[in-house]
Amino acid sequence: QVQLQESGPGLVRPSETLSLTCTVSGGSISDYYWSWIRQPPGKGLEWIGYISYSVTNYNPSLKSRVTTSVDTSKNQFSLRLNSVTAADTAVYYCARERVDGYIDVSLAFWGQGTLVTVSS
Amino acid sequence: QSVLTQPPSASGTPGQRVTISCSGSSSNIGSNTVNWYQHLPGTAPKLLIYSNDQRPSGVPDRFSGSKSGTSASLAISGLQSEDETDYYCAVWDDSLNGPVFGGGTKLTVL
Repeated sequence: QVQLQESGPGLVRPSETLSLTCTVSGGSISDYYWSWIRQPPGKGLEWIGYISYSVTNYNPSLKSRVTTSVDTSKNQFSLRLNSVTAADTAVYYCARERVDGYIDVSLAFWGQGTLVTVSS
Repeated sequence: QSVLTQPPSASGTPGQRVTISCSGSSSNIGSNTVNWYQHLPGTAPKLLIYSNDQRPSGVPDRFSGSKSGTSASLAISGLQSEDETDYYCAVWDDSLNGPVFGGGTKLTVL
């Protein structure tokens, strides 16, 4: 069974860079689309971006601050969000599409989520 | 506000049937398939319905999805107390060139 686990600092200072890693077990990181989604306190789910091979796509509202990457040797993919503010405080999730090589927002596998707080 | 519109809340009594709507446009629901998620905040969201009306393995048949034009619905029959949580629709948006989520609906079992 595919499992995903987010890891990274729980506290980031304003104007600094948020960095998270998602470790994938039980399956290969190749051939699939891997997404980052977040949920600010008291709000709904927000798509941040996805990556597959070298293909990336980001939410236009975050595009200027987001980068993602994949490390196939470690079966991990990562998120970097720079110049963070308090508005970036959220639970961050990594997720995988249900079908390989295809993206239709049917995210069948999710990490448990990690809370990142932006505060000085 | 989200590109996809959901009612912020819904409610029903045990055993009842409830529906949650998701309204979009021609660039999202009107031209792509709809997915539904069940989400208890602080836990991993669960894919409940994909491709408008398909249930992943393990999802009870009490849950069903439908789509018509630029709107979609999630129906839950035989409502149970454990169904009390948040529900989100999600779909690809051709204008955004990316996924969009509805604002979420909090379901209360009275």
